[in-house]
Amino acid sequence: QLQLQESGSGLVKPSQTLSLTCAVSGGSISSGGYSWSWIRQPPGKGLEWIGYIYHSGSTYYNPSLKSRVTISVDRSKNQFSLKLSSVTAADTAVYYCARGLTGRKGRFDPWGQGTLVTVSS
Amino acid sequence: QSVLTQPPSASGTPGQRVTISCSGSSSNIGSNYVYWYQQLPGTAPKLLIYSNNQRPSGVPDRFSGSKSGTSASLAISGLRSEDEADYYCAAWDDSLSGVVFGGGTKLTVL
Repeated sequence: QLQLQESGSGLVKPSQTLSLTCAVSGGSISSGGYSWSWIRQPPGKGLEWIGYIYHSGSTYYNPSLKSRVTISVDRSKNQFSLKLSSVTAADTAVYYCARGLTGRKGRFDPWGQGTLVTVSS
Repeated sequence: QSVLTQPPSASGTPGQRVTISCSGSSSNIGSNYVYWYQQLPGTAPKLLIYSNNQRPSGVPDRFSGSKSGTSASLAISGLRSEDEADYYCAAWDDSLSGVVFGGGTKLTVL
């Protein structure tokens, strides 16, 4: 079965760039019909969609984060990545990666276990 | 303030039927599929309902979803203690060109 695992720096300084990677196992990230997403959850708060990338390389970002977000795919490593620039304390959250389904925007399954990123000096 | 509106809390006793609402607009729920996620304490969200009313394999038929106009609902019948969790609705928003979530509903089994 498909599994996703987030990794990256758990502590980022304000104004720096947050970088996370999601390793995909049990399936190929190059398989057609899927998208690969990032979603975050600030401590004690709700979920916020960050964006996703299709197997074709096309990307869609949350308009409120678009100027700071880059999602990319590394097919050779079967993983995809998130970069969020100019971070502030408001970007402190658990970051999840998840697989989506082309044409079914809003459907995320499965999810990674999540990784906490704290923005602090 | 979330684009999709959910009650912050809901509760019920074991065996009862509970309903959680999700209110949106014509640009999201009114024109796109609704999805529901269950987040047990300390864990990642899990897909519970897709395409308004479909259950992934492994999800008990005690969980059901419905949609009418610009609102959707999640119903849980035969409530169990293990259903205590946060529940989120989600949909694509054509105006925002993005996925929007509800603020989440914390379900307590009394």
